[in-house]
Amino acid sequence: DIQMTQSPSSLSVSVGDRVTITCRASRSISTYLNWYQQKPGKAPNLLIYAASTLQSGVSSRFSGSGSGTDFTLTISSLQPEDFATYYCQQSYSSPPYTFGQGTKLEIK
Amino acid sequence: EVQLVESGGGLSQPGGSLRLSCAASGFTVSSNYMTWVRQAPGKGLEWVSVIYTGGSTYYTDSVKGRFTISRDNSKNTLYLQMNSLRAEDTAVYYCARNGDCPGDCYLDQWGQGTLVTVSS
Repeated sequence: DIQMTQSPSSLSVSVGDRVTITCRASRSISTYLNWYQQKPGKAPNLLIYAASTLQSGVSSRFSGSGSGTDFTLTISSLQPEDFATYYCQQSYSSPPYTFGQGTKLEIK
Repeated sequence: EVQLVESGGGLSQPGGSLRLSCAASGFTVSSNYMTWVRQAPGKGLEWVSVIYTGGSTYYTDSVKGRFTISRDNSKNTLYLQMNSLRAEDTAVYYCARNGDCPGDCYLDQWGQGTLVTVSS
């Protein structure tokens, strides 16, 4: 199975900050990488798929990049509603389509 | 409007069984890959199972032989039959629709989740 490792596990940030979260796959997954946002008590919400394609309706302050084994999610200017936990997920080849362990953004 | 509504969660003793349902509206379950994801209390997301449009099914190792994913096309509903439940199966279970599968296979629509608690 492909293992996904996110870093950092948590991040203390302020409104207006530029935030970068990384996700590393245990082997190459091309660009089969998705990002989700989850707020407490809510279901996850798709932000980005295919490593860099913004899901419809998602703010353009979110962007994704990478291919192969290394990927990043960037929030250009953090807004109050962006404090949440973010997960990467690989969807390469056959299941299981594993998730990273998550990155929690906390208010500094 | 696309919607997924889970039900069937609750309390089970270890070794017991539960069947989760996920009723879909606004799209056809059988025309999409459909996935179950779970989240233990205070933990991250764990991919559990998927059913392909052709009926092929896949599971994470920890539930193989105990859980069965299926669908009822006439009811437009996805199911997860969970047998031989263990304490470590305690989690919120989400059903989700896979977009663009085969292909990028992202999860673009999610239900609200249903809580399964396994305890004596």
